[in-house]
Amino acid sequence: EAQVTQNPRYLITVTGKKLTVTCSQNMNHEYMSWYRQDPGLGLRQIYYSMNVEVTDKGDVPEGYKVSRKEKRNFPLILESPSPNQTSLYFCASSQVWGGTDEQFFGPGTRLTVL
Amino acid sequence: KNEVEQSPQNLTAQEGEFITINCSYSVGISALHWLQQHPGGGIVSLFMLSSGKKKHGRLIATINIQEKHSSLHITASHPRDSAVYICAVPSGWAGNQFYFGTGTSLTVIP
Repeated sequence: EAQVTQNPRYLITVTGKKLTVTCSQNMNHEYMSWYRQDPGLGLRQIYYSMNVEVTDKGDVPEGYKVSRKEKRNFPLILESPSPNQTSLYFCASSQVWGGTDEQFFGPGTRLTVL
Repeated sequence: KNEVEQSPQNLTAQEGEFITINCSYSVGISALHWLQQHPGGGIVSLFMLSSGKKKHGRLIATINIQEKHSSLHITASHPRDSAVYICAVPSGWAGNQFYFGTGTSLTVIP
């Protein structure tokens, strides 16, 4: 089944404790992206990747890192999480970059930073 | 800065009503996406369009590039259409940066 998976789905952590949220797609998609969703602000893009080893900042990249060493995986790294990073996070992928292809979204990861 | 504006924010309709959700944007785009998010959080892509009109079942999406405006219509609405509808526009370098409206929360009452 074609899908985007994220792990973990729920995470409660404490300020400063490094964490990684994994994202994997099995559709051989070129483009992958991370978003956060907050009440009243909607979805905002954190980072995106056009292909292996090609990543760039979105609208709200501060406090986050990403890597794209393999085409299928695009982990989101929070090296020193803070409470303002409490949010619902979505990974998404599409066949090609450029915004002209349908995006497939993962199920979301709800992160709470205490 | 709000690159994408959606209206209305909230919408309640009786089953069977015709529904319209609007999206206006200020950036140059290659296409516009409509997304649906059900309670419980999952997001699915409904439409991607760069001109004219598209139809999937009871859903119709239109876009006017010159006016920078898109509409999502739902005909013969049903309670299962209750969800948040989100407009998204790819912009920035090569259209890889996405900007989103804050969503329209639709409730359809039986």
